[in-house]
Amino acid sequence: NAGVTQTPKFRILKIGQSMTLQCTQDMNHNYMYWYRQDPGMGLKLIYYSVGAGITDKGEVPNGYNVSRSTTEDFPLRLELAAPSQTSVYFCASSPLAGSGEQYFGPGTRLTVT
Amino acid sequence: GESVGLHLPTLSVQEGDNSIINCAYSNSASDYFIWYKQESGKGPQFIIDIRSNMDKRQGQRVTVLLNKTVKHLSLQIAATQPGDSAVYFCAENLSLNGGSQGNLIFGKGTKLSVKP
Repeated sequence: NAGVTQTPKFRILKIGQSMTLQCTQDMNHNYMYWYRQDPGMGLKLIYYSVGAGITDKGEVPNGYNVSRSTTEDFPLRLELAAPSQTSVYFCASSPLAGSGEQYFGPGTRLTVT
Repeated sequence: GESVGLHLPTLSVQEGDNSIINCAYSNSASDYFIWYKQESGKGPQFIIDIRSNMDKRQGQRVTVLLNKTVKHLSLQIAATQPGDSAVYFCAENLSLNGGSQGNLIFGKGTKLSVKP
């Protein structure tokens, strides 16, 4: 299994541009999550999904959107990039409800200038 | 604000010594805690978890202790090795919308450096 994969690894955006961060998992996990990690900080939850077709906001959802059309994919969309969205983005998945054992991807480093 | 935090931002230990990484939480209703390890340039990796009905849990070379009275937990790493060098995060399970979806609140992390 490849686990959780994310693309791209790095990206530089200009203010106001849009992009989609891709996340795919091949473990058939129902639960998927998007986090952002600012320098020297812990991770903050952006959005999560408990299964295909079901998504919900996390702690810091403003400026982002998600969709979950399949079990495997959970893309994160930035519509109008702002410097405050400069961060490292991690996608994670988990097989169990209420489990803290999440499997993380390698991350996408995004810079907005 | 964050309900999960860490006492020390950095910890340096000698190879072979035991390491203790501490974490404080503020929400007395929290009932599930997790430790993650994050190596440079990688995503976090699950180490061990503990529920509030326990005060100690052991894994391979790691032990987590939970003191609910003072809202404190710690991660002990036995015989620390160079490969243990990383940032360690404690995380608290956050229940959103009345249900527990595995949503985590992370602390800021402690950087562990192992000296050979």
